[in-house]
Amino acid sequence: EDQVTQSPEALRLQEGESSSLNCSYTVSGLRGLFWYRQDPGKGPEFLFTLYSAGEEKEKERLKATLTKKESFLHITAPKPEDSATYLCAVQVAGTALIFGKGTTLSVSS
Amino acid sequence: NAGVTQTPKFQVLKTGQSMTLQCAQDMNHEYMSWYRQDPGMGLRLIHYSVGAGITDQGEVPNGYNVSRSTTEDFPLRLLSAAPSQTSVYFCASSYSTGGAYGYTFGSGTRLTVV
Repeated sequence: EDQVTQSPEALRLQEGESSSLNCSYTVSGLRGLFWYRQDPGKGPEFLFTLYSAGEEKEKERLKATLTKKESFLHITAPKPEDSATYLCAVQVAGTALIFGKGTTLSVSS
Repeated sequence: NAGVTQTPKFQVLKTGQSMTLQCAQDMNHEYMSWYRQDPGMGLRLIHYSVGAGITDQGEVPNGYNVSRSTTEDFPLRLLSAAPSQTSVYFCASSYSTGGAYGYTFGSGTRLTVV
């Protein structure tokens, strides 16, 4: 069965304290891995797509990386406005996206 | 450019009532889908469509019905509401089933069934 597991479930950081979120997956035939950001009361917002092991994407303080079994979302020097739930999803051939349960990040000043 | 528009934003139904959640997109996306989001469960796919006239079931389709008569609209119908259908519903669209640009999500409909 295709599975996506995100860890930790929740993460509290001080402003400027860098860290990483993990997304591990067990799927047959990965077509792509996606990261989304979700703010309370809103729909998910697309961040990155990664297609193959070794690929990296960056956007402001966020950097996503991909291996054959997992992806990391690195947050460098986070600010309070980075507080949100970060969702990982995978696409398997012939299906829509399969989402993990998310990591809720809180950044305090 | 409005993106993906969902209506209503909030709805309370009594058990057994039926209703339609509306979803419209103005980006000429071929792919549209409906997800429900429950605490501790993540986003789960209900139904999806790869183009006008084509729909298919997702992970949790029971109790829901969809149709796709135009590229722009993808309504979700609850046939006979049950408390287990209390959830936040998101509509999403994309150029394809995955794609380099990901999905564009609507802002959601929060449904409570009493």
